[in-house]
Amino acid sequence: DAMVIQNPRYQVTQFGKPVTLSCSQTLNHNVMYWYQQKSSQAPKLLFHYYDKDFNNEADTPDNFQSRRPNTSFCFLDIRSPGLGDAAMYLCATSTRGTSGSNEQFFGPGTRLTVL
Amino acid sequence: GQNIDQPTEMTATEGAIVQINCTYQTSGFNGLFWYQQHAGEAPTFLSYNVLDGLEEKGRFSSFLSRSKGYSYLLLKELQMKDSASYLCAVRDKGSYIPTFGRGTSLIVHP
Repeated sequence: DAMVIQNPRYQVTQFGKPVTLSCSQTLNHNVMYWYQQKSSQAPKLLFHYYDKDFNNEADTPDNFQSRRPNTSFCFLDIRSPGLGDAAMYLCATSTRGTSGSNEQFFGPGTRLTVL
Repeated sequence: GQNIDQPTEMTATEGAIVQINCTYQTSGFNGLFWYQQHAGEAPTFLSYNVLDGLEEKGRFSSFLSRSKGYSYLLLKELQMKDSASYLCAVRDKGSYIPTFGRGTSLIVHP
């Protein structure tokens, strides 16, 4: 089955210790997204790629970086995690289009804990 | 951007019908999505509306009124497994990325 995979599902890191979250997809979608979601809040878009074009949201802290080495993989790097970065991180994919649904397909998420 | 408003929480009884409302404000509208998200899991796509009217898909239906900036998700014959958060997301004209509301937590009890 075509899908979006995230690893690991649970990640524990120490305050200030860099961490990398990974996402892969078999849907061959050209857009990949990273969202941060805290409890009872809306998913917050951090950035997205359209193919190799990187698009950063204006309010995404510099502490968050991303890499997309190929169509299938995308990484989220948190350079110096703070306690406020503890959250669920969701990867999603879609085709790009302004007509039609082009709905997003989400991975299962990585729950990040910062000690 | 959009201003998306949904009730924070709703409760309903197994077997009943529940309607979850979503209102939005946008300068140009290009589609509204509903997603279901179980606790600790990823959102899954339920429905998409871009024209006014009702879209029915099994036990779930979604309605849109563009002139009123209003949508609802209707869930019939509620089951315990329908307990989840329901996220409304709106896409602006010319954009391919929707903005999510904070979701409505639905609790279904026996």
